[in-house]
Amino acid sequence: GQQLNQSPQSMFIQEGEDVSMNCTSSSIFNTWLWYKQDPGEGPVLLIALYKAGELTSNGRLTAQFGITRKDSFLNISASIPSDVGIYFCARTNSGGSNYKLTFGKGTLLTVNP
Amino acid sequence: NAGVTQTPKFRVLKTGQSMTLLCAQDMNHEYMYWYRQDPGMGLRLIHYSVGEGTTAKGEVPDGYNVSRLKKQNFLLGLESAAPSQTSVYFCASGDFPYEQYFGPGTRLTVT
Repeated sequence: GQQLNQSPQSMFIQEGEDVSMNCTSSSIFNTWLWYKQDPGEGPVLLIALYKAGELTSNGRLTAQFGITRKDSFLNISASIPSDVGIYFCARTNSGGSNYKLTFGKGTLLTVNP
Repeated sequence: NAGVTQTPKFRVLKTGQSMTLLCAQDMNHEYMYWYRQDPGMGLRLIHYSVGEGTTAKGEVPDGYNVSRLKKQNFLLGLESAAPSQTSVYFCASGDFPYEQYFGPGTRLTVT
């Protein structure tokens, strides 16, 4: 269906550690997006993925569109305190309504200096 | 460019009162969206618009109305506020079909 499973729900790490989070869906889709939300702010687009197998980096962030088109992961290397926030995956809906996104419930990341 | 702006930033309403949230974007985007964010629920789509003069229902439209009279503005109305509408409301806009850009949010409390 239209559900997205995002995991983990929360992570508490030490500064300098690498982080990995992922999203899965029971259906295949054409686009995966990753957003970050700082406390008290709106979500900001980090990375957009449009092709199965695509691997894209944005600084210390790397995201991949799974080969099966049902999943995506986001890695953050060498975490720093400003990485704190909620990370959301999102994917387009199927059919003719692909301008609408469905969001995962988010991964809350806490970085201990 | 200011991007996406939202007015007001905070609001407290009593049950039964009405209000309108304003969203404005200066990126000439065709698509605009209203979401609500509740703890543990992620972002849920309330209503959206694919162009000036158009609106459509999203996932949780009950109790809300919207209007898009001008391309750059998208208004969200609550006719009779209920405590269940206490939430943080985000507006977003986009043109490339899949990438949406969000405003800073409006925190609404209904007592």
